[in-house]
Amino acid sequence: KQEVTQIPAALSVPEGENLVLNCSFTDSAIYNLQWFRQDPGKGLTSLLLIQSSQREQTSGRLNASLDKSSGRSTLYIAASQPGDSATYLCAVEFQKLVFGTGTRLLVSP
Amino acid sequence: DAGVTQSPTHLIKTRGQQVTLRCSPKSGHDTVSWYQQALGQGPQFIFQYYEEEERQRGNFPDRFSGHQFPNYSSELNVNALLLGDSALYLCASKTAVNEKLFFGSGTQLSVL
Repeated sequence: KQEVTQIPAALSVPEGENLVLNCSFTDSAIYNLQWFRQDPGKGLTSLLLIQSSQREQTSGRLNASLDKSSGRSTLYIAASQPGDSATYLCAVEFQKLVFGTGTRLLVSP
Repeated sequence: DAGVTQSPTHLIKTRGQQVTLRCSPKSGHDTVSWYQQALGQGPQFIFQYYEEEERQRGNFPDRFSGHQFPNYSSELNVNALLLGDSALYLCASKTAVNEKLFFGSGTQLSVL
């Protein structure tokens, strides 16, 4: 059974800090990995998509890396802002998309 | 350009009833998938539709069924509702050649 785990479950940081969110998965035979952001009671917004043949993707202050052999991905957020406060979800496409339980991020002014 | 739209936004039902949720995909998208998200959990994949056929299915009972129409819109039907079916139901769409998913804002279903 494919499983996706995210650590930490919650994170609170002051504005301006650089931070790293972690995602691990049990099966290295993946098609792709996506990072999403979810605001309370809302749908998900795709942040970054990494194909299985890629090692990383960048978008603005966000950088996501993928290491299939170790079953891990990290999402790096540079110079965090209060508007970054949300839940960040990692999703791995095996034969279907499997989500982690997310990391709740709070960035304080 | 409208994104993924879902209706209704909120719904209250009682145990044993049936419910239908609706989804219109983002313009240009032909693949629709449905997810169930319980409070504090990540979304769980229910099924995916492409070319009006169910292509993939997650670990959900037959009480959960769906449909995709020729205009690519989709419905999720749940029969014999249980208290445990209370959740946020999310619809997502994409094209067959691009894996990036676009999500709607969801339908919050409460079963009393």
